[in-house]
Amino acid sequence: ETGVTQSPTHLIKTRGQQVTLRCSSQSGHNTVSWYQQALGQGPQFIFQYYREEENGRGNFPPRFSGLQFPNYSSELNVNALELDDSALYLCASSLTTGGSYEQYFGPGTRLTVT
Amino acid sequence: RKEVEQDPGPFNVPEGATVAFNCTYSNSASQSFFWYRQDCRKEPKLLMSVYSSGNEDGRFTAQLNRASQYISLLIRDSKLSDSATYLCVVPLGGYSTLTFGKGTMLLVSP
Repeated sequence: ETGVTQSPTHLIKTRGQQVTLRCSSQSGHNTVSWYQQALGQGPQFIFQYYREEENGRGNFPPRFSGLQFPNYSSELNVNALELDDSALYLCASSLTTGGSYEQYFGPGTRLTVT
Repeated sequence: RKEVEQDPGPFNVPEGATVAFNCTYSNSASQSFFWYRQDCRKEPKLLMSVYSSGNEDGRFTAQLNRASQYISLLIRDSKLSDSATYLCVVPLGGYSTLTFGKGTMLLVSP
């Protein structure tokens, strides 16, 4: 196991609502990345946090936002949920050092928007 | 060319077969590459990292061709437990962000 945990495991929300997903990174890792994986697709990069700062962002609208805390755990917030937001949300932790890109994933949160 | 493109699959092979997956990437400056394995409805798990021309780990061999911008994954002596989706991953953005291919599904049958 990677030691990366996510909560909740599953979530059902209604269009227009807001959701917060949580991730605890592997011990010793200082970077958390969030990905969205739709059915039949590879994970798509949402954003990354390093030492509590957003460190890069993919092609997602501002209603996707996040936080990283001093213990390196992280939250992903999505406002004004849309049906297309239904997906598996994965967080991955890593140790950002020169040239190292290996990331370790948590089990994911499966979000269904109705 | 798409950023990361993989064989569409699925690949159906019998136990014991050798199977190879190909992946092409768009950014010639990329220096490191990864293969992840994802079981149905589970998270991706790191299978192999490739930082030079290739890497070998037991039955699994990854080869990198920088001139042609493709990476391959070879699985020898396939086992039933190898059935999964294999994701080709390339850091294409800055700040160690990863770009995933859509994945190639492998089904190993008895």
